[in-house]
Amino acid sequence: QLQESGPVLVKPSETLSLTCSVSGYFISRGYFWGWVRQSPLRGLEWLGNIHHDGGTNYRPSLKSRLTLSMDTAKNQFSLRLTSVTAADGAMYYCVRIAAARTYYFDSWGQGALVSVS
Amino acid sequence: QSALTQPPSVSGAPGQRVTISCTGTSSNIGAGYDAHWYQQIAGTAPKLLVFGQNKRPSGVPDRFSGSKSGTSASLTITGLQAGDEADYYCQSFDTDLSGWVFGGGTKLTVL
Repeated sequence: QLQESGPVLVKPSETLSLTCSVSGYFISRGYFWGWVRQSPLRGLEWLGNIHHDGGTNYRPSLKSRLTLSMDTAKNQFSLRLTSVTAADGAMYYCVRIAAARTYYFDSWGQGALVSVS
Repeated sequence: QSALTQPPSVSGAPGQRVTISCTGTSSNIGAGYDAHWYQQIAGTAPKLLVFGQNKRPSGVPDRFSGSKSGTSASLTITGLQAGDEADYYCQSFDTDLSGWVFGGGTKLTVL
């Protein structure tokens, strides 16, 4: 089970920080862990992911503003997005990324609705 | 504009069969990457519905099935039920993005 937490209102030009708490599985054991956001303008949009060994992969358009990190002691992973604008307002979901022949998002948090204003 | 193209809406009567298409390109589905499908009921998070070579997570009925051909994929729902009303999204890996892409979503209405 995944659960997002963090401020729901962020001012333009400031930093958005969200944390995903994971229960029922130790994130250090395996899988990729990631973030997806959803807005009426952009639909569902993969933002980035972090591997259980700490390796990261970011959406190219966000690479300069986005940082993902992991705290295995707390069994959490986090998102930090700097210099936000109104276009970053969206529902943010944390996800677990599993693999068959290719990767898919097999578990989703309930979402955190973030407004930029 | 999404990398994967889906029809905005489809509809069908209870008991009928509907198919939702997902058209990709040579950098995603056409490159051999599977299409996966998600169901999003209003006000809730997306839920994995079909993945890989037509596999379903535990609890998803076999009324839901996926297929792929060339640069496109399809989700078929048989025996439509009122509870199937939702938005459906396809997802794949894209080599141009070096990341995952989603379709724009299809709203299913059960008449």
